Amino acid sequence: QSALTQPASVSGSPGQSITIPCTGTSSDVGGYNYVSWFQQHPGKAPKLMIFDVSDRPSGVSNRFSGSKSGNTASLTISGLQAEDEADYYCSSYTSIITPVVFGGGTKLTVL
Amino acid sequence: EVRLVESGGGLIQPGGSLRLSCAASGFTVSTNSMSWVRQAPGKGLEWVSVIYSAGNSYSADSVKGRFTMSRDNSKNTLYLQMNSLRAEDTAVYYCARGYTRGAFDIWGQGTMVTVSS
Repeated sequence: QSALTQPASVSGSPGQSITIPCTGTSSDVGGYNYVSWFQQHPGKAPKLMIFDVSDRPSGVSNRFSGSKSGNTASLTISGLQAEDEADYYCSSYTSIITPVVFGGGTKLTVL
Repeated sequence: EVRLVESGGGLIQPGGSLRLSCAASGFTVSTNSMSWVRQAPGKGLEWVSVIYSAGNSYSADSVKGRFTMSRDNSKNTLYLQMNSLRAEDTAVYYCARGYTRGAFDIWGQGTMVTVSS
């Protein structure tokens, strides 16, 4: 199973909005409404930010939102804050035998 | 508090074996799907293995036949037995609790495995 495709980096200024795309295939992103997004700060474990395409776990800011169209999912962060600077990974369910495939990760820089 | 704590990492020579442990607290591992996810230095996340509540387990092609995931329900602990280790297995290994399909809501702090002579 190939990794999902994400841009290596994105950037934005405080207060702005950014969107990170995540492109897969009909066997993963396009085939299921099970796309997740994780935030990872340096030296820390990943943190679940979005699950099931657009749902947020309790405690995650509503500045984070997710969507999907066809084989591409997207994470949008509005009102950028310095603390949002981190690596972001998308994932998608694929099958019982291979339950998840990750994207290559996107480094978000807050200018 | 819901928590996962990994242990067992270290420096190992190529071809060697290592067993990682992941102790859970605040929930029961046997009623959840649990996975191991690894991250090579400076690289992205890679799913390694899963064990479902029914007890069936599966592994990624990159480790199939070499890594085995198991659990001890009495200790509420997961294990990852890693054999025939290669340099490319060098990574931080995280255990994580399955939330919905493809999502993991609880992660451990990770344990570093370095395969080098």
